[in-house]
Amino acid sequence: GEDVEQSLFLSVREGDSSVINCTYTDSSSTYLYWYKQEPGAGLQLLTYIFSNMDMKQDQRLTVLLNKKDKHLSLRIADTQTGDSAIYFCAERGKLNNQGGKLIFGQGTELSVKP
Amino acid sequence: GAGVSQTPSNKVTEKGKYVELRCDPISGHTALYWYRQSLGQGPEFLIYFQGTGAADDSGLPNDRFFAVRPEGSVSTLKIQRTERGDSAVYLCASSSVSPGLAGVKHEQFFGPGTRLTVL
Repeated sequence: GEDVEQSLFLSVREGDSSVINCTYTDSSSTYLYWYKQEPGAGLQLLTYIFSNMDMKQDQRLTVLLNKKDKHLSLRIADTQTGDSAIYFCAERGKLNNQGGKLIFGQGTELSVKP
Repeated sequence: GAGVSQTPSNKVTEKGKYVELRCDPISGHTALYWYRQSLGQGPEFLIYFQGTGAADDSGLPNDRFFAVRPEGSVSTLKIQRTERGDSAVYLCASSSVSPGLAGVKHEQFFGPGTRLTVL
């Protein structure tokens, strides 16, 4: 089956690093994504990683993928108050089988305190 | 506008009524997805269109839910005999890439959603 799990809340101080964790169950996942959702706004794609990669860095964002443990993490360096939002991990199933639908976790609410 | 738009932004209806939710995808995007997001949860897949046809409707919860995309652009999600449990934010997303194409990130662009409240 398909399931994506995340911790619900994370609170950090401005300037610290944030690490948001996610576990998934579908070993055939091809892409894994991190989306950001701010109040009143649509889901915004932050970054993604292909399943044959271990790490991807994009400015302040670092994504780590452990395929053996089916564990994905998002690290935000120098977290700012503007990073406060809900972060969703999502997996995309095997190509040609699932039409590209995304399976989302329940979201981690990141609170950044000044 | 350049993004995905959804109308209405808010819809309040009474139990048992029929509702239609509209999605305007990004121009030229062939793939269109509907998701439902309940309070405190992540989006949950409902249905996916490639062009005019529903390629995967496995996420529709029951036969009260139906969606169309007659000309391959605008899509309408239709809910009959609404129930209080249907209350949620309904999200639409579109993508320019066929899901069968390997080696690309397959980004789905999401609209702001329609908040449906069934009283």
